[in-house]
Amino acid sequence: AQSVTQPDIHITVSEGASLELRCNYSYGATPYLFWYVQSPGQGLQLLLKYFSGDTLVQGIKGFEAEFKRSQSSFNLRKPSVHWSDAAEYFCAVGAGSTSGTYKYIFGTGTRLKVLA
Amino acid sequence: DVKVTQSSRYLVKRTGEKVFLECVQDMDHENMFWYRQDPGLGLRLIYFSYDVKMKEKGDIPEGYSVSREKKERFSLILESASTNQTSMYLCASSLRGIAKNIQYFGAGTRLSVL
Repeated sequence: AQSVTQPDIHITVSEGASLELRCNYSYGATPYLFWYVQSPGQGLQLLLKYFSGDTLVQGIKGFEAEFKRSQSSFNLRKPSVHWSDAAEYFCAVGAGSTSGTYKYIFGTGTRLKVLA
Repeated sequence: DVKVTQSSRYLVKRTGEKVFLECVQDMDHENMFWYRQDPGLGLRLIYFSYDVKMKEKGDIPEGYSVSREKKERFSLILESASTNQTSMYLCASSLRGIAKNIQYFGAGTRLSVL
């Protein structure tokens, strides 16, 4: 069965430090992968997506992610974290359904805290 | 910009009440989704709809039903609310097709069932 694992529930980094959030997926075919961010009290906003092609994808707000098929991973990175990056981050994989609609399977999320 | 609007940010209901959560999108999307979000469990799919009057169960449909009478509107119904349905509910919409399958989310409805 398809699944997404985010092994880190909480991560704390200092402002200006680099960041890597881990995501591992289980999916039989070529995955469609997404990272979303949820600021407090808000809905989810798409940071970046991977469909095919270049395995290093760039997103908004200075984030990037690298797809590694051999490791079934899609880790999110940022070279220098800003206090405004404090939020919860969700990794998701697109999966098929009975009707042919593609739905998401989400990980459990990683909450990022940024120290001033 | 795509806009997904959930009619209420906060709701407080009593056990046994019938509860309606409403979601409207303005981008003519074919697909609409209802999730619930709980700490440590992430987002779990309740139901989704791929066309007017068409629906499919997600991973946790028990205790919920949905209605989609118009393309832009997708309702989640709790027939008899229970305390274990206290949660954050998120609505999303997307275009049909793989490459266009980016989901756009509303701000959420935090439901408390007392």
